[in-house]
Amino acid sequence: AQSVTQPDIHITVSEGASLELRCNYSYGATPYLFWYVQSPGQGLQLLLKYFSGDTLVQGIKGFEAEFKRSQSSFNLRKPSVHWSDAAEYFCAVLGRGDYKLSFGAGTTVTVRA
Amino acid sequence: DVKVTQSSRYLVKRTGEKVFLECVQDMDHENMFWYRQDPGLGLRLIYFSYDVKMKEKGDIPEGYSVSREKKERFSLILESASTNQTSMYLCATGLADRDNNEQFFGPGTRLTVL
Repeated sequence: AQSVTQPDIHITVSEGASLELRCNYSYGATPYLFWYVQSPGQGLQLLLKYFSGDTLVQGIKGFEAEFKRSQSSFNLRKPSVHWSDAAEYFCAVLGRGDYKLSFGAGTTVTVRA
Repeated sequence: DVKVTQSSRYLVKRTGEKVFLECVQDMDHENMFWYRQDPGLGLRLIYFSYDVKMKEKGDIPEGYSVSREKKERFSLILESASTNQTSMYLCATGLADRDNNEQFFGPGTRLTVL
């Protein structure tokens, strides 16, 4: 069965600093990989996704993620964080040919002025 | 843009009540999903449906049932609500295309069972 691990439950970062959120997955083959963001009181919004091809994926709001097959990782990065980036971030995995997403437990990001 | 709406943002019910959570999508997607979200556990799949009147159990179906009588509407039913079903419930939709199976989420319903 596939699984997703987000090792960091909570990260605090200063506005303007860089951010990296970690995601590791367990799956027999290369799955589809996603990062979602959930602002307080909101549903989930897709930031970016990896299906195939270039392992560095660009998303919305200035985010990017890099797929590393050898490490089974799909870490999310942003070079300069804005206060509006305070939210909960979820990494998710979808097996190829499957319809069921598996989510990590989430990482809450707090941005301090 | 895909629009996924859920009937209520907040809902308070009493133990033993029958609860209906409704989800409606306007993009003609074949697949629809119900998740519950709990702190520290992420999102867990309760049920999903890949066609009208078709359903499949997810990871935590116990205590829940679903109904899909029309393509655009997917209902989650708690036959007899219990306090451990207090949670955030998220509906999602997606295409049946295996090469384009991104899921789109509604705003969520925060259910409290007293």
